[in-house]
Amino acid sequence: QQQVKQSPQSLIVQKGGISIINCAYENTAFDYFPWYQQFPGKGPALLIAIRPDVSEKKEGRFTISFNKSAKQFSLHIMDSQPGDSATYFCAAVYNFNKFYFGSGTKLNVKP
Amino acid sequence: NAGVTQTPKFQVLKTGQSMTLQCAQDMNHEYMSWYRQDPGMGLRLIHYSVGAGITDQGEVPNGYNVSRSTTEDFPLRLLSAAPSQTSVYFCASSYSSGAGEQFFGPGTRLTVL
Repeated sequence: QQQVKQSPQSLIVQKGGISIINCAYENTAFDYFPWYQQFPGKGPALLIAIRPDVSEKKEGRFTISFNKSAKQFSLHIMDSQPGDSATYFCAAVYNFNKFYFGSGTKLNVKP
Repeated sequence: NAGVTQTPKFQVLKTGQSMTLQCAQDMNHEYMSWYRQDPGMGLRLIHYSVGAGITDQGEVPNGYNVSRSTTEDFPLRLLSAAPSQTSVYFCASSYSSGAGEQFFGPGTRLTVL
């Protein structure tokens, strides 16, 4: 049973558009929610993260929206660029040590 | 700093063989972890360690052993390889708990025939 459900599986966005990736979880004991970005042939890299006592966090063009009551969180990429084309993973962390990742979203930003 | 290093980069094993995937970090990080990445399944935590001498199981620990005798090294052992263990394996580390930024290694692509 997958602890974190991520959608969509793939996403095509025009340059300058907004990319939105959604994740949902069931376990209310999760205490940390990071997003990772992965380019082909590389390991994932932390993009942005949020704790459940915060509803939104913004870093540059990247924003996490967090809805604790709905047990959902999402990544918004504003002004998407071709260089943002990568696979994005959400994660939920239990006790700050046990990571559960979503299945990933492959983003393609068209020039 | 070399960051997180993993060896080997590629490996082919036959069913039943054993091997150790090496992971080392030079950032004096307390937290280290191993993941496997399979298509359509994201990354799944195999084992993790919060410091030398302390390890714990993740989501998919069966078939894998770990130990942490030093802060720098966190090897992953496959005792008897199975085709189901064909995957890309990533090691990661962070300063304290996993809530800090995790730095991932470049990965090891393992094929079990």
